[in-house]
Amino acid sequence: GDSVTQMEGPVTLSEEAFLTINCTYTATGYPSLFWYVQYPGEGLQLLLKATKADDKGSNKGFEATYRKETTSFHLEKGSVQVSDSAVYFCALTRIGAGSYQLTFGKGTKLSVIP
Amino acid sequence: KAGVTQTPRYLIKTRGQQVTLSCSPISGHRSVSWYQQTPGQGLQFLFEYFSETQRNKGNFPGRFSGRQFSNSRSEMNVSTLELGDSALYLCASSLPGQGAFSYEQYFGPGTRLTVT
Repeated sequence: GDSVTQMEGPVTLSEEAFLTINCTYTATGYPSLFWYVQYPGEGLQLLLKATKADDKGSNKGFEATYRKETTSFHLEKGSVQVSDSAVYFCALTRIGAGSYQLTFGKGTKLSVIP
Repeated sequence: KAGVTQTPRYLIKTRGQQVTLSCSPISGHRSVSWYQQTPGQGLQFLFEYFSETQRNKGNFPGRFSGRQFSNSRSEMNVSTLELGDSALYLCASSLPGQGAFSYEQYFGPGTRLTVT
């Protein structure tokens, strides 16, 4: 079945540091890929997405490129802020039987210190 | 436009009881999905409803059920609660028809269920 593997956390960075959170996936066909972010006490917010190979999703300074050859979708940000502290989830969806289902990674907790 | 709303936000139940959680999707959204989030298992798909029909179901026991109403609001029910059902239950809505490859789900804040 489908699966998503992302790097174990927690990750602690100083403000303005460079961020990379690795994500790899296993799926048949051509899944769409997503990064979601969850702030304390809240639900998930869609951060960015990519729907086909070589697509680059970007939002709020975050970027991720859909690499089919390496089945990866790594999240990057050039300069993190304290407000980026949250849990980040990599996810995929693949159409099956006319239904949409998200498969998530375990999540990576990011803490940014001033 | 109002986001996905879930009620109640917090719930404490006793083992063996049953519980019903409610989800109101974004106006115009016709698909509602439910997910369970726990520290050990992470985020797991429960089921998806579209136009009052269950289209897909995750690997959960029959104690977990749901339904969707004609206004797209959805409820999920858990019967004979077990301690392991303690979790954050998230509801997500979407607008199928935008295209299979641009599908996005919008999540509510969740219902925190504690079983004692």
